[in-house]
Amino acid sequence: EVQLVESGGGLVKPGGSLRLSCAASGFTFSSYSMNWVRQAPGKGLEWVSSISSSSSYIYYADSVKGRFTISRDNAKNSLYLQMNSLRAEDTAVYYCARDIPPRKGMDVWGQGTTVTVSS
Amino acid sequence: QSALTQPASVSGSPGQSITISCTGTSSDVGSYNLVSWYQQHPGKAPKLMIYEGSKRPSGVSNRFSGSKSGNTASLTISGLQAEDEADYYCCSYAGSRVFGGGTKLTVL
Repeated sequence: EVQLVESGGGLVKPGGSLRLSCAASGFTFSSYSMNWVRQAPGKGLEWVSSISSSSSYIYYADSVKGRFTISRDNAKNSLYLQMNSLRAEDTAVYYCARDIPPRKGMDVWGQGTTVTVSS
Repeated sequence: QSALTQPASVSGSPGQSITISCTGTSSDVGSYNLVSWYQQHPGKAPKLMIYEGSKRPSGVSNRFSGSKSGNTASLTISGLQAEDEADYYCCSYAGSRVFGGGTKLTVL
């Protein structure tokens, strides 16, 4: 079964850091670009970051550029999001999602992990 | 990276058809045939309904269809059913990715 499972969410103080992980199974992870998408409470979806299959191409939303870092380990079938200098407005459910190549849509989503930034 | 524009809400009766619009610019929707549509029920992860503008993933009902004209993409749902009641989001490739603000579909 094709599956993505996020972990690493939690409560963190403003200015703090958190590292999210996404474990992939059931498909050849190294062949796909991957994304992080977030959803603040009661709000819509917001694309956060994308990484190509070999990590050659990386993109960020302006709202997280310079604070978040996306990475992957194809040997471990895992995607990561390092989040630094966290702000209250980063509070959201964070989803990882697989791309239909090339960039045609996101066809597999995880269940999400919740990040709460609060003092 | 301005969000794509979707109506906040649409509604229809069972059996009817509805269309949700998604308006972007010549830099995103208008430049690429790479619009996708997602259905999200409360508390659930989004589900891909349409990709590459008009293609349906395996398992998605043929009551869902996508199209594009200029800078506006559209999702049409025909033969509305109660289970179609959900939030719908469009997304376009634009060098990076940009989502619409979402549309709440109510089945009356």
